[in-house]
Parts: sequence; C-alpha cells; structure tokens
Amino acid sequence: GAVVSQHPSWVICKSGTSVKIECRSLDFQATTMFWYRQFPKQSLMLMATSNEGSKATYEQGVEKDKFLINHASLTLSTLTVTSAHPEDSSFYICSVGSKAKNIQYFGAGTRLSVL
Amino acid sequence: AQTVTQSQPEMSVQEAETVTLSCTYDTSESNYYLFWYKQPPSRQMILVIRQEAYKQQNATENRFSVNFQKAAKSFSLKISDSQLGDTAMYFCALQEETSGSRLTFGEGTQLTVNP
Repeated sequence: GAVVSQHPSWVICKSGTSVKIECRSLDFQATTMFWYRQFPKQSLMLMATSNEGSKATYEQGVEKDKFLINHASLTLSTLTVTSAHPEDSSFYICSVGSKAKNIQYFGAGTRLSVL
Repeated sequence: AQTVTQSQPEMSVQEAETVTLSCTYDTSESNYYLFWYKQPPSRQMILVIRQEAYKQQNATENRFSVNFQKAAKSFSLKISDSQLGDTAMYFCALQEETSGSRLTFGEGTQLTVNP
C-alpha cells in the first residue's frame, strides 16, 4: 500500500491565487520530508527540506516567500504556492525519508497548472 | 559537492532482451547509498533497487541487478527479460550518510521497451 499520500493530484488555478499541496506520511512518523519540482522530461529538483516543528531549509534559488512550507506534525507537511503565476506551473512531488531503512518514499505528485 | 551523471538520455530494448543503464557519481564521503528509481508515465516514483556502498556484493531484485564499481564510482542497472511495463524514466540517485536523507538525482534515462 501507499506509504505517502499527496493531495491534490492535479490542480488548476488562476494567476494570483494561492494553492496548497498536502503530503502525508501514512506508515511512520517523519521528522523530515522533502519537496521537489519536476519539469517535463527533466529530473527532480529539490526545493526544500521540511523539518517538523521548525523552519524549512530551502535550496539556493528557491524563494521562501513564494513557496511556503509548514510541517506542523510528524505526518503532515504542506507546500503553499503563493500568488501563483504561469511560470509556477509544474509537477510537485513530496517524499518522506525512512531513517531506519535509508529509503525515500515518494508521493504520487501534484500537477499544478496556473492559467 | 556530490554529483550524479546519467549519460544516456534515451534507450530502447526489445521485449525479453536485456538492457543496461549507466550511472556515474562523485562523492567525497566513504559511506553512502545508491538507488535506482523508476518513474513510469503515471509519474509515481518507484524504488527499483538500493545499494549500500560498504557492501561489495551487488544488489539484485528479481530481474533487476546492479554492477557497483566503487573505485570507478560507477553504478549501472541491468534489466533482464525486459517487459513492456518496464517502459519508464529511470533515475540514478545518491544519498550521502551525512546528508540527512537528501537525494541527489541524475538527469534520467528514458527507457522504452518495444514489443
């Protein structure tokens, strides 16, 4: 069964609005989750590391105020794309790391289309 | 900084044949993990196989096996008896032990299995 649940799978929004994506760890408590962005036919680009109970760690070049991450519990991290614009249209994927197994489990991804 | 390189953007193979996907990496650490992930058209990332750097024995998972050459920093994936369902983008990834579960991905190889 699924280890990570990501919702929604597809969202269409108008330019200027905000969109929230949820990532839930179903099988274990996760102190750390990861958010990736993927453009068509390209690799996954790490955007940020979500830390439970503290601020997220953003990769260089990723706007903190644009991509808000909240990791309020050990099973839920959210990514909010604020004031979305067409260039934010992409595929966003979250993952949960199992320290016991040294494996990352991925959500099914969210396709964001900004009109 | 750690890097992962996949030099084959696309590959194709006939059903039931064997194919090998290449991956090279660079890291200054002695303890790390290597992975092959598969991303089919559904875009769900699926773990194919995992190798711990301190283990000399090559990992195998049914039809999937790796050729891990630590000195050469090479980590190729062999798929035997290729099936149509193996058609996907394959990503090689590196996780350093001190990275806090962060993965570094290669550019990916699009594999097409032809009937």
